[in-house]
Amino acid sequence: DTEVTQTPKHLVMGMTNKKSLKCEQHMGHRAMYWYKQKAKKPPELMFVYSYEKLSINESVPSRFSPECPNSSLLNLHLHALQPEDSALYLCASSQGQAILGNTIYFGEGSWLTVV
Amino acid sequence: TQLLEQSPQFLSIQEGENLTVYCNSSSVFSSLQWYRQEPGEGPVLLVTVVTGGEVKKLKRLTFQFGDARKDSSLHITAAQPGDTGLYLCAGLSYNTDKLIFGTGTRLQVFP
Repeated sequence: DTEVTQTPKHLVMGMTNKKSLKCEQHMGHRAMYWYKQKAKKPPELMFVYSYEKLSINESVPSRFSPECPNSSLLNLHLHALQPEDSALYLCASSQGQAILGNTIYFGEGSWLTVV
Repeated sequence: TQLLEQSPQFLSIQEGENLTVYCNSSSVFSSLQWYRQEPGEGPVLLVTVVTGGEVKKLKRLTFQFGDARKDSSLHITAAQPGDTGLYLCAGLSYNTDKLIFGTGTRLQVFP
């Protein structure tokens, strides 16, 4: 089973709303990732969690706030977003840190539209 | 900044044709992965190559990692409409805990 589950599949939110994207994996993976993908572009890394601790933040604006409550869950809290933040948000996980050559598996993504 | 350039950017072919997609960089990677992505879906892993010069086959797909671990290729034999999608290479950097994606190749196979 190489499944990464993301909810919701689609989210429409206003610029003053607070919402969250959720990601779950039960593969025992210890590294989890958030990527952002705009239309017709490759995914861009946002955050990396390794052993439930934030290890990489790619200079993401503070209106995006990640949280890793335990090794199976990864959340992305959203507040005061802008229309240009509309994109496909992808969660991924791997067995260990990427530098050890582990394979990274992706969820199906959450489509976010900011109005 | 590490870059992975894919070529061609777009490819439109008839069913039964062969094709090759290239993924090139000036950087060395510890491993390289190929994904296929359908519209509105997440990338689905096709293969991971780790050793320089490594060749892996997945049915009609053949993947090769360059000897210097800087480039890779994907060859599809007798393409089918079901192969249509966005193909992404992605390299794992030695220096950082990051998976860096290539620029993507959009393939369309017509019946």
